[in-house]
Amino acid sequence: QLELQESGPGQVKPSETLSLTCTVSGDSISSGVYYWSWIRQPPGKGLEWIGSIYYSGITYYNPSLKSRLTISVDMSKNQFSLKLSSVTAADTAVYYCARRNPTLFDYWGQGTLVTVSS
Amino acid sequence: QPVLTQSSSASASLGSSVKLTCTLSSGRTNYIIAWHQQQPGRAPQYLMKLESSGRYTKGNGVPDRFSGSSSGADRYLTISNLQSEDEADYYCETWDSNFYSLFGGGTKLTVL
Repeated sequence: QLELQESGPGQVKPSETLSLTCTVSGDSISSGVYYWSWIRQPPGKGLEWIGSIYYSGITYYNPSLKSRLTISVDMSKNQFSLKLSSVTAADTAVYYCARRNPTLFDYWGQGTLVTVSS
Repeated sequence: QPVLTQSSSASASLGSSVKLTCTLSSGRTNYIIAWHQQQPGRAPQYLMKLESSGRYTKGNGVPDRFSGSSSGADRYLTISNLQSEDEADYYCETWDSNFYSLFGGGTKLTVL
């Protein structure tokens, strides 16, 4: 059974960089045609796709976040990561990692709340 | 015009059936979508993939009470014999020509 687990700081200061890691278990991150993805959900709001990465390093980013966003993959650790720079209060959200197979999400992590506050 | 449009809320009685709608924008009537359920305080869970033909493929462990259907630009999620645990937000999802993922605004289902 595939499992995804997000990890990282629960609080980030404004203007700093938000960094999260997703650890994948139950399958190799380099298997199949999957795109490993990040999605966020501000409190009380809907889902917003952040970006996706293939194990080879090919990335797709939400245009609204692209200038601040880096998603990378570490096959040796079976992990992929998110870095979002210059954060503001608008970046406060629950961040989910998910598997895209290859066009639709079929597995989700449990999510982690990141609050942007000084 | 959003790519995916959902009603913000719906309600139905315990034990009854409800049909939720996700409408694709013009020119996208052949798009495949997915339905996801998000129970209060929990992560979303994949329910099914739904094609324009009405064929659907459910995720592991999704109860038989959940089914999908399609008509033109509309994609439906029908929940039969509503249970209290079906009270949740339901999101539809698809992708665009740039391979970007897109979500509908979600429908909050209340079980009366």
